[in-house]
Amino acid sequence: AQSVTQLGSHVSVSEGALVLLRCNYSSSVPPYLFWYVQYPNQGLQLLLKYTTGATLVKGINGFEAEFKKSETSFHLTKPSAHMSDAAEYFCAVTLPGQGGKLIFGQGTELSVKP
Amino acid sequence: EADIYQTPRYLVIGTGKKITLECSQTMGHDKMYWYQQDPGMELHLIHYSYGVNSTEKGDLSSESTVSRIRTEHFPLTLESARPSHTSQYLCASSEGLYAGGANVLTFGAGSRLTVL
Repeated sequence: AQSVTQLGSHVSVSEGALVLLRCNYSSSVPPYLFWYVQYPNQGLQLLLKYTTGATLVKGINGFEAEFKKSETSFHLTKPSAHMSDAAEYFCAVTLPGQGGKLIFGQGTELSVKP
Repeated sequence: EADIYQTPRYLVIGTGKKITLECSQTMGHDKMYWYQQDPGMELHLIHYSYGVNSTEKGDLSSESTVSRIRTEHFPLTLESARPSHTSQYLCASSEGLYAGGANVLTFGAGSRLTVL
């Protein structure tokens, strides 16, 4: 069965600094990978997804993620953090033929200091 | 604007009460899901539906039940609420036609349930 591990439940960066949120997956076949963001008192919003093709995926709000099969990773990055990036970030995985049912990681709370 | 709506957003209720969490979407999506989210924890799938009159239990066992009588409506019911049911419940939907299953889920804002 597939699984997702997010390293670090809390990450704190200064405004303007690099954001790096780590996600590793376990899957017996090539997975589909997603990053979602959750702002306080809101539902989850898709940042980006990887299905097939180019391994570097660009998303909304300047975020991007790179699928590295050899490392079973799908880390999320943003070159320069903004105060509005403070939120909870979830990595998720699904497999072809699973009808879109996502398996989520435990989430990483990103804090941005002025 | 297409969207997915959950009501109530917040509910505080006593033990033993029956509750129904409503979820409606205006996008005509075939697939709908209920996830349970505890603070600092991952989301766990508790129910899903691939269309009208289709419901399945998810990976996390739940005492709740669901129904799908109309495409746009996917309510979740607890017959007798207990403190262990205190959690946030997130409803989501997705199109059913994306090849391979890499559907993007659209989430509602959630229903935060507290059982005293």
